[in-house]
Amino acid sequence: GQSLEQPSEVTAVEGAIVQINCTYQTSGFYGLSWYQQHDGGAPTFLSYNALDGLEETGRFSSFLSRSDSYGYLLLQELQMKDSASYFCAVRDHGNQGGKLIFGQGTELSVKP
Amino acid sequence: DADVTQTPRNRITKTGKRIMLECSQTKGHDRMYWYRQDPGLGLRLIYYSFDVKDINKGEISDGYSVSRQAQAKFSLSLESAIPNQTALYFCATSVGRAQETQYFGPGTRLLVL
Repeated sequence: GQSLEQPSEVTAVEGAIVQINCTYQTSGFYGLSWYQQHDGGAPTFLSYNALDGLEETGRFSSFLSRSDSYGYLLLQELQMKDSASYFCAVRDHGNQGGKLIFGQGTELSVKP
Repeated sequence: DADVTQTPRNRITKTGKRIMLECSQTKGHDRMYWYRQDPGLGLRLIYYSFDVKDINKGEISDGYSVSRQAQAKFSLSLESAIPNQTALYFCATSVGRAQETQYFGPGTRLLVL
């Protein structure tokens, strides 16, 4: 089966850098995705890593190490609006390419 | 206009009632999904459909059924609602095999009394 682990809560101050980790166990692996969800809102796609290394998109970066079954989302120059839940997800190997399995989410609180 | 819409946005119903949640998309995507979200449990897949003729169960399909009426429409039914189906329900879409990028609707808050 598939499982993902990520911290349930992280707190940081405005302007700081925060890293949200995700470890996974899967029977097969395509890549690691990250989604952001503001309270009660729709999850929105942030990034996807299929290969080892760092992918940067503005203030957000995502890293993957396939050998360690580990990835992280790095948020720089934190802003109050970054307070949200962040989910990592992997694609399950299965019918026609499978489906996404989501972690339980990390709630990020950004303090002034 | 939103690309993925869900109706209703909020619903209160009673135990034993049949209800339907609807999802429509204008993105032209072939793949559609229904998820359920409960506090602390992330997003759990109920059903998914890769095209109009393809319906697949997710990890928590018991008590639910779906219908893919057209490429753009995917509805979720609770045949006989029970209180533990109280949750936030999301519809999502993706295109082809790029399932890592899914586009979510605004969600339906369902309360079963």
